[in-house]
Amino acid sequence: EAQVTQNPRYLITVTGKKLTVTCSQNMNHEYMSWYRQDPGLGLRQIYYSMNVEVTDKGDVPEGYKVSRKEKRNFPLILESPSPNQTSLYFCASSLLGLMNTEAFFGQGTRLTVV
Amino acid sequence: KNEVEQSPQNLTAQEGEFITINCSYSVGISALHWLQQHPGGGIVSLFMLSSGKKKHGRLIATINIQEKHSSLHITASHPRDSAVYICAVHMDSNYQLIWGAGTKLIIKP
Repeated sequence: EAQVTQNPRYLITVTGKKLTVTCSQNMNHEYMSWYRQDPGLGLRQIYYSMNVEVTDKGDVPEGYKVSRKEKRNFPLILESPSPNQTSLYFCASSLLGLMNTEAFFGQGTRLTVV
Repeated sequence: KNEVEQSPQNLTAQEGEFITINCSYSVGISALHWLQQHPGGGIVSLFMLSSGKKKHGRLIATINIQEKHSSLHITASHPRDSAVYICAVHMDSNYQLIWGAGTKLIIKP
């Protein structure tokens, strides 16, 4: 089954404690991205990657890091989380270069930083 | 001004009603997505359009490239259609998606 898998689904952590949210896709997609969703603001892109070892900042990259060492994985790293990073996070993937394709989303990770 | 605007922001209707959600955009695009987000949070892709019209069950999506406008219609609406519907466009200059703010739909039995 084609899918994007995020883990964990829920996470409560304390300010400053490094965390990683994993994202994995099994569709051999080149393009992967991370979004955060906050009430009244819709989805905002954090980082995206067009292929292995190619990553770029989205609209709200501050406080986040990503890596793309393998095509299937695109982890989101919060080196020193702060309460303003409390949000719902989504990972997505799609084929690159083929516009007639849908985007696939993970189930979301609800992060609370206290 | 947002590059992708959806209307209405909120919509409450009775079961069985015909629903229309609109999406207008101001940039050149190669494709437009309609997505559904249920109260549990998960996002599901409904349609990807670059021209014309697509239908899937009770859902119909149309796009008018010249007018930079798309609509999502739901026929014979049902309470299980209650969700946030999100429009997103692929810019034709790169592979980035620009997101609308979403339309929260509630269908009452």
